[in-house]
Amino acid sequence: KQEVTQIPAALSVPEGENLVLNCSFTDSAIYNLQWFRQDPGKGLTSLLLIQSSQREQTSGRLNASLDKSSGRSTLYIAASQPGDSATYLCANRGSTLGRLYFGRGTQLTVWP
Amino acid sequence: AAGVIQSPRHLIKEKRETATLKCYPIPRHDTVYWYQQGPGQDPQFLISFYEKMQSDKGSIPDRFSAQQFSDYHSELNMSSLELGDSALYFCASSSSEGGGSPLHFGNGTRLTVT
Repeated sequence: KQEVTQIPAALSVPEGENLVLNCSFTDSAIYNLQWFRQDPGKGLTSLLLIQSSQREQTSGRLNASLDKSSGRSTLYIAASQPGDSATYLCANRGSTLGRLYFGRGTQLTVWP
Repeated sequence: AAGVIQSPRHLIKEKRETATLKCYPIPRHDTVYWYQQGPGQDPQFLISFYEKMQSDKGSIPDRFSAQQFSDYHSELNMSSLELGDSALYFCASSSSEGGGSPLHFGNGTRLTVT
């Protein structure tokens, strides 16, 4: 069974800081990995998707990397803003039609 | 672009009642997934369907059942509701074409059991 771990569980920083959120998984035979954002009581917004053949993806201030051999992914947030405050979840998928295995998330608070 | 539609958005039921949650996937998506997210928890996989057949099963209680219909929409039926069933229920869809697409999630149905 795939286990996904996210560190840290919570993070509180002043705005403007560059952040790194970590995700590790036990089974390196993944199909792809997704990072999601979730606001309290709301749905899951997909931020970035990295296919197993890729090393990283970028979207605006967000950059996600994938190292299958070590079973790790990182989400880098540049120049954090209060609007970035949310829970960030990583999830991976073992096959084309497979389920997503989620981590417990990192709860991020960016204060002005 | 069309997204995954879930209904209802909110549902309040009493213990031992039944509930039906509906999910309408993105057009041309053939795979549907159901997840349950309790307060402060990560989403837990319940069940998935591909081309109207169950493709995978997770931690879905025996009191729950689900199916995917010919138009690819899916329904999650929940019976003998318990207080612990109170959660946010997400549906996601994806396409198997072209090697597969990412999962796209709906906004969820918040079920409260009193």
